[in-house]
Amino acid sequence: KAGVTQTPRYLIKTRGQQVTLSCSPISGHRSVSWYQQTPGQGLQFLFEYFSETQRNKGNFPGRFSGRQFSNSRSEMNVSTLELGDSALYLCASSIRTGENTEAFFGQGTRLTVV
Amino acid sequence: AQTVTQSQPEMSVQEAETVTLSCTYDTSENNYYLFWYKQPPSRQMILVIRQEAYKQQNATENRFSVNFQKAAKSFSLKISDSQLGDTAMYFCAFMKRGPNAGKSTFGDGTTLTVKP
Repeated sequence: KAGVTQTPRYLIKTRGQQVTLSCSPISGHRSVSWYQQTPGQGLQFLFEYFSETQRNKGNFPGRFSGRQFSNSRSEMNVSTLELGDSALYLCASSIRTGENTEAFFGQGTRLTVV
Repeated sequence: AQTVTQSQPEMSVQEAETVTLSCTYDTSENNYYLFWYKQPPSRQMILVIRQEAYKQQNATENRFSVNFQKAAKSFSLKISDSQLGDTAMYFCAFMKRGPNAGKSTFGDGTTLTVKP
């Protein structure tokens, strides 16, 4: 069974640009969550999508947005990039049914803003 | 809001010995899950162990076990017979239980080095 796939693995962007990151969850998983990981702030929750609906949202500015498609694949978009957006962006998928809460993480996308 | 605190930024242990990583949390929720994740240098986060707050029995997964003290809001991870492959950053995480509970709150992590 394929794991969670995040693309691209590495990305370099310039301040002011926008970027789209992709996450393909494990087959059958309907929940996709996004996290930002930085040395200074640790792991911060961005948002969670379940069946194409945003179900939870963290404390990030509106420049950070996401969506989920009918096949559960998810994209995250960051507009008007700032230097502080440089981070490892992690995606996690889970079945999210009943008591099954285990989240499986992808390898992340390393975004560098210059 | 929930907070998770890991007070040990770095720890080291000799191969084959036992080490305990600390985690405390703060929440007003009564039903929740606690997790320990491992993130090796390859950076893929892997679930090590999970504890349901309503269960009094401490979770165990092979060499990994937890000491869950609900009243004290403490959730420590014990690694027995440490192996070189256990070298990684370990994160403690909290998640509220419920149908719309999809947000995990993580601690800042503890970097564990297993020495030969």
